[in-house]
Amino acid sequence: GAGVSQSPSNKVTEKGKDVELRCDPISGHTALYWYRQSLGQGLEFLIYFQGNSAPDKSGLPSDRFSAERTGGSVSTLTIQRTQQEDSAVYLCASSSGLAGGGTQYFGPGTRLLVL
Amino acid sequence: QKEVEQDPGPLSVPEGAIVSLNCTYSNSAFQYFMWYRQYSRKGPELLMYTYSSGNKEDGRFTAQVDKSSKYISLFIRDSQPSDSATYLCAMHTGANSKLTFGKGITLSVRP
Repeated sequence: GAGVSQSPSNKVTEKGKDVELRCDPISGHTALYWYRQSLGQGLEFLIYFQGNSAPDKSGLPSDRFSAERTGGSVSTLTIQRTQQEDSAVYLCASSSGLAGGGTQYFGPGTRLLVL
Repeated sequence: QKEVEQDPGPLSVPEGAIVSLNCTYSNSAFQYFMWYRQYSRKGPELLMYTYSSGNKEDGRFTAQVDKSSKYISLFIRDSQPSDSATYLCAMHTGANSKLTFGKGITLSVRP
């Protein structure tokens, strides 16, 4: 079946512009996660959605970052007033949220470059 | 101290070698332990998944977890050039929990 998809694959933007990154999770997966992967920092958690519960935003690095998940499916990560340090690969993962660990499946990522 | 520490590498081995990859962690609440493999310009893919302490084997891959020492390992037997990738350890405290990753180690298997 189809895996997690993300768009765009690559995004180049100018400092100060806003960007939107999209994630389509695996059909039926109730949990959705955003991570950021940058050189020197590894993979870091950003935000987590589970069903209709309030999202866990504890990993968002600043108030310029926000995310929403519409209809319990597609999610959009928005970065306002981008800075050069926002350049990274943004990865989305989804899981079925079942007990026993809830294996997370990752998309291919969006490579963001802020000039 | 980061919650999960992983040897930074890189690591280069000849084809057929046994590879040992390791991570240590500090949070005793971690219960689920994973190894992800990531090829260049791709997302991480789950390789091995272990709950609590013990060993798990899948083909040429063996994952070990020692919770008393807060230490996990991935062994790759008869390594192949196709195993060349970045390997990330990851762990979490329970279902619907965020993953905490090591920084990853890049492995190169020379033909």
